Amino acid sequence: QKEVEQNSGPLSVPEGAIASLNCTYSDRGSQSFFWYRQYSGKSPELIMSIYSNGDKEDGRFTAQLNKASQYVSLLIRDSQPSDSATYLCAVRGDYKLSFGAGTTVTVRA
Amino acid sequence: SAVISQKPSRDICQRGTSLTIQCQVDSQVTMMFWYRQQPGQSLTLIATANQGSEATYESGFVIDKFPISRPNLTFSTLTVSNMSPEDSSIYLCSAGHLNTGELFFGEGSRLTVL
Repeated sequence: QKEVEQNSGPLSVPEGAIASLNCTYSDRGSQSFFWYRQYSGKSPELIMSIYSNGDKEDGRFTAQLNKASQYVSLLIRDSQPSDSATYLCAVRGDYKLSFGAGTTVTVRA
Repeated sequence: SAVISQKPSRDICQRGTSLTIQCQVDSQVTMMFWYRQQPGQSLTLIATANQGSEATYESGFVIDKFPISRPNLTFSTLTVSNMSPEDSSIYLCSAGHLNTGELFFGEGSRLTVL
């Protein structure tokens, strides 16, 4: 599996702030990138997919992709306590996904 | 998206026994995979479940230990054979489509081996 690195956590942010999550990957040929949210004791849930350079917004979530820098990020705006979870970056090489170790986010009320 | 049902959701097993986990998807999907997640760790791919043929295993995983079947597009099983305490983990079935690459996960099967 290809290497996927995420910024180490845990990340603690106050309610209403922006949480910024970063991910780098080693396979320059990767074309598809995903962010998953995993609540404690639950399975991963797909929250964002991004395939092209630039920004993609979905509600309070914005994914950013820079293939030249092999970098993908996730911004969570107006963070809520319900956003407290572990966020997994996943990168598709050939047909399989490789996952990062995850960044745990805690939103303080 | 796809709704994925896994069973059992959890089990406690004795050393040396085997357990089969079943995965059912609510729609026809191109890809099915089995992952393992140790407590506090990320996901490790065990194998790709191929319809009607032998699964494709990742490094460190072998068919004798983790036999996998996928008789049709929507159903797969993973067996954990001759279990030891080191096999205690959460096993996750995932499924999706080749064109988008998006994967969806079942609720997982939490396995404890005593």
